[in-house]
Amino acid sequence: QQPVQSPQAVILREGEDAVINCSSSKALYSVHWYRQKHGEAPVFLMILLKGGEQKGHEKISASFNEKKQQSSLYLTASQLSYSGTYFCGTGPYSGAGSYQLTFGKGTKLSVIP
Amino acid sequence: NAGVTQTPKFQVLKTGQSMTLQCAQDMNHNSMYWYRQDPGMGLRLIYYSASEGTTDKGEVPNGYNVSRLNKREFSLRLESAAPSQTSVYFCASKVSAEGYTFGSGTRLTVV
Repeated sequence: QQPVQSPQAVILREGEDAVINCSSSKALYSVHWYRQKHGEAPVFLMILLKGGEQKGHEKISASFNEKKQQSSLYLTASQLSYSGTYFCGTGPYSGAGSYQLTFGKGTKLSVIP
Repeated sequence: NAGVTQTPKFQVLKTGQSMTLQCAQDMNHNSMYWYRQDPGMGLRLIYYSASEGTTDKGEVPNGYNVSRLNKREFSLRLESAAPSQTSVYFCASKVSAEGYTFGSGTRLTVV
């Protein structure tokens, strides 16, 4: 089952904050977040494992709520370089370092001067 | 250190033709994956290989076959291409507790 991301698109001015949500109808074991710029490959941002931990990457952080089966990505003081499409991926650990990720349809983030 | 290398970068096929997309990684990762990306659909898993010698179907395997040739290489084959297989194909590899490293993609058009 594909996770549902919201919003589908958001436009920010530099310095503003944004939250991108990812929810699943299935129990979550892990949530991965990726950013993809136009015409390029997705780039890994962070992984959150079962346990409700919050992780950070520069001014981008994320939370993982197992009970609500959702994760949120927080972008603070946005920069032009944050523009792109953000994907969450969810899926069980299937051994040998392998996750079968199912990705959401993405959230397009545009940061303008 | 090249990461994940995909070839070719672009390809145009006629309906019914066959082709193999190549993928190689130099990071000594066990797991490798093939995804396709279509506008508005996100990334969908075609096949994956948890380790050398094993392959499994993903969400959209119909019309594709794969070969895990060795630990480095994981190829995707279209036996008889159809217009519905027009897409951008990404290969990825992964090590435990880290995210996927994606290749730069193959843009395939089937006419």
